[in-house]
Amino acid sequence: QSVLTQPPSASGTPGQRVTISCSGSSSNIGSNTLNWYQQLPGTAPKVIISNNYERPSGVPDRFSGSKSGTSASLAISGLQSEDEADYYCAAWDDRLNGPVFGGGTKLTVL
Amino acid sequence: QVQLVQSGAEMKKPGSSVILSCKTSGGTLRTYAFSWVRQAPGQGLEWMGRIIPVFERINYAQEFQGRVAISADKSSSTVYMELSSLRSEDTAVYYCAADRRGGYPPDYWGQGTQVTVSS
Repeated sequence: QSVLTQPPSASGTPGQRVTISCSGSSSNIGSNTLNWYQQLPGTAPKVIISNNYERPSGVPDRFSGSKSGTSASLAISGLQSEDEADYYCAAWDDRLNGPVFGGGTKLTVL
Repeated sequence: QVQLVQSGAEMKKPGSSVILSCKTSGGTLRTYAFSWVRQAPGQGLEWMGRIIPVFERINYAQEFQGRVAISADKSSSTVYMELSSLRSEDTAVYYCAADRRGGYPPDYWGQGTQVTVSS
């Protein structure tokens, strides 16, 4: 049972916009910044959104992040086939004194 | 740029221990904190513990207390994780990950190390 809650799956067609939600509590998302990771099959997670909404160098601007209260969202616009991957959210948890993760969302591009 | 290079795959018997290493890029050990995160087949990411080498501060997830030990060797810029009393459920990919300290999730990840526990 993951501390942060994500939908297990999401899907969209090429060119569409999809959003993935991440819900937490006051001890994690509510008081700390959030990262989003993209994990392609057989590879390590890669940060695509840092500090709630910042895109690291090299991440396309099709990816955007937002946060409000104890929830956050990742939006992917202009969906492409190479976006098919697992997506995870993560935040520091003040109560557990460590990072906590969402259970992951498998994005399928139809 | 932070680089984390992990040791190779391990095959272990139930009840044994495994030690994994994570070689960090120069200077990283003084600036970052390092977590070990594992991912069982088809599952999500699970945090195991974290070390801040410059302060020699370590904390572990409750689920792994007493079974995991994280350490750092400043002379070789390497972080280690030992997991003991291995069981089949410990079969997973283990990642070393770095964060900026001060309450942030990891920003950088190693390539992962496959650990297989089987009799």
